[in-house]
This record gives sequence, structure tokens and C-alpha cells, in this order.
Amino acid sequence: GAVVSQHPSWVICKSGTSVKIECRSLDFQATTMFWYRQFPKQSLMLMATSNEGSKATYEQGVEKDKFLINHASLTLSTLTVTSAHPEDSSFYICSASLTGRIGELFFGEGSRLTVL
Amino acid sequence: KQEVTQIPAALSVPEGENLVLNCSFTDSAIYNLQWFRQDPGKGLTSLLLIQSSQREQTSGRLNASLDKSSGRSTLYIAASQPGDSATYLCAVWSGGGADGLTFGKGTHLIIQP
Repeated sequence: GAVVSQHPSWVICKSGTSVKIECRSLDFQATTMFWYRQFPKQSLMLMATSNEGSKATYEQGVEKDKFLINHASLTLSTLTVTSAHPEDSSFYICSASLTGRIGELFFGEGSRLTVL
Repeated sequence: KQEVTQIPAALSVPEGENLVLNCSFTDSAIYNLQWFRQDPGKGLTSLLLIQSSQREQTSGRLNASLDKSSGRSTLYIAASQPGDSATYLCAVWSGGGADGLTFGKGTHLIIQP
């Protein structure tokens, strides 16, 4: 149990286009999901908290108009990188808590975004 | 602000050796500490979760200890195998929301066949 799935696992796009990444909780309902960004050999940095049925909460320094988050159902959150630029190239990982406890998170497989 | 440091940053050992990965954190007021495994280009797999009231957790060849007062945790891997090669991440939760979860940069482990 407690499987979190991301799609796509990797995507290449042209600069200026928008890219959507999906995060699904496969065998449980997640009212809250979390989006992280990871640069090579760096730790995970929390970008935003995605709340089902309400607006996402963004961490300081993360542009909410750049990284659109939608959590339309209890099993799906999406991250859309709008007008992507090469500096947005990164590894994006989502997570969710099975128990509702923040400290016990299960992570998706990650999505590698490369912007040309 | 909580800071998590993992030492060493990289480690390469022959197959069969027992090894220890270290994690330290600056603020001892944590609720739990978690060890993850990350394979190249993949997400995180939870290995062990230690609650603040616990001293250690074991799963198969893995044993994680927690000394909250000194701000330290170790992950012990017994009889290492090439399949253990991965990056191991330590994360502490200091409470609140997900912003209370702080990750280290990880230890990149290579087990030589």
C-alpha cells in the first residue's frame, strides 16, 4: 500500500511551452500532497503544499504563477510549469502522507524535466 | 532553522562489508527521523522511520539508530551487496507542515562487486 505515482517520468520541452506533471495516490486518498524540486547532488526542496479543493500553499521564493498546482480530487495533484525556461530544468518529486502525518511521507518516482 | 548534514557525501566499499552512514541535525526538537533510498533518476523509497521516543529501528540488513539529544543518527548496513548502491537520504521532521521536514544532501553509496 501507500503507492504514489508520477507521470511522466521524464519530459523534454521547448523553451516557452508549458508542461504538466501528474501525481496520483494509487491506493489511498490524500487530501494533501507535496511538491519538491531536486537539483543534482542536492537535497529536496519543498516547493508547495497541494490541498484538495483549495489553493496550494507555496514556499517562499516559489512563483505561484510559474508553478501552477491543482488538486482537483483526493487522488490527483498536478503541477504545471508555465512558460518553461532552461533554468526550470530539474527533477520534480511529489509526495503524500498515508496517515495524515507530515513526517511519514511516501514519494513518487519523480519527473525529470529538461527545457531546451 | 533546522539543518541536516550527512557524512560522508560519497562512499565506495567492496561487497560484503558492513558500513555506517551518518546523519546529524542542528535542532534536537524533532518528532521523527526517516532514512530514504534514492536510485538514480528515481523517487524516494522509505527505509526506516524512527520516532523521537525510539532509539533504533531495524529492517533486514538495515539498522538505524537515533540519539536525539546529540542530534545524530546512523544507518548501519550489514553485509553490503551491489544492489545496495544508491543515494541514502536522511530527513528529520520538526513538526508543523511539510516545511518542517528537512532533508540532508545524501550519501552516494557504491558497492563494488
